[in-house]
Amino acid sequence: AQSVTQLDSHVSVSEGTPVLLRCNYSSSYSPSLFWYVQHPNKGLQLLLKYTSAATLVKGINGFEAEFKKSETSFHLTKPSAHMSDAAEYFCVVINTGGFKTIFGAGTRLFVKA
Amino acid sequence: DAGVTQSPTHLIKTRGQHVTLRCSPISGHKSVSWYQQVLGQGPQFIFQYYEKEERGRGNFPDRFSARQFPNYSSELNVNALLLGDSALYLCASSSGLTSYEQYFGPGTRLTVT
Repeated sequence: AQSVTQLDSHVSVSEGTPVLLRCNYSSSYSPSLFWYVQHPNKGLQLLLKYTSAATLVKGINGFEAEFKKSETSFHLTKPSAHMSDAAEYFCVVINTGGFKTIFGAGTRLFVKA
Repeated sequence: DAGVTQSPTHLIKTRGQHVTLRCSPISGHKSVSWYQQVLGQGPQFIFQYYEKEERGRGNFPDRFSARQFPNYSSELNVNALLLGDSALYLCASSSGLTSYEQYFGPGTRLTVT
């Protein structure tokens, strides 16, 4: 069985400081992992993906994530937060060969001026 | 190029009624997936269709059904609506069966009264 846990429901940072959004996964097979962002009243946008290539994945808007198999983690980071980063972030797992996508519960990122 | 489109944008129905939601994938994409996102939660997988066949199903009752047409557009049908079916229904398309990078539409907001 596969599952994904986002360890924080809310994260608050100041503009210009680093962002860390944590995600742990459980999968019986080699997983494909994604981060999506959802701004208010807007659709889900793909930030980055891991599909068994490089373990450090770079995405859009300066975000990156590192796949750590030993820790079953796929945490999202950004060196310097911007006000426009305030949104809901979802960690997603899809089993290779499977046809079921599992979303985490989401982490709401707040960015203070 | 147009992204994933969904119709209608908003819908209000009464308990017990039936609803049909529609989705057009990105041109060239052959796979369509449907998700239900209840307020404050992550999207829950309902169905995946590829080449007009159901390839995956989430934990939803038989009141939920879907189909995919020869032009790869899709419909989601929900019968005997319950108050708990009120949610944002998202459609996502991907290029193939094993292409896990999904592109999401803006969603249909369904309210059941």
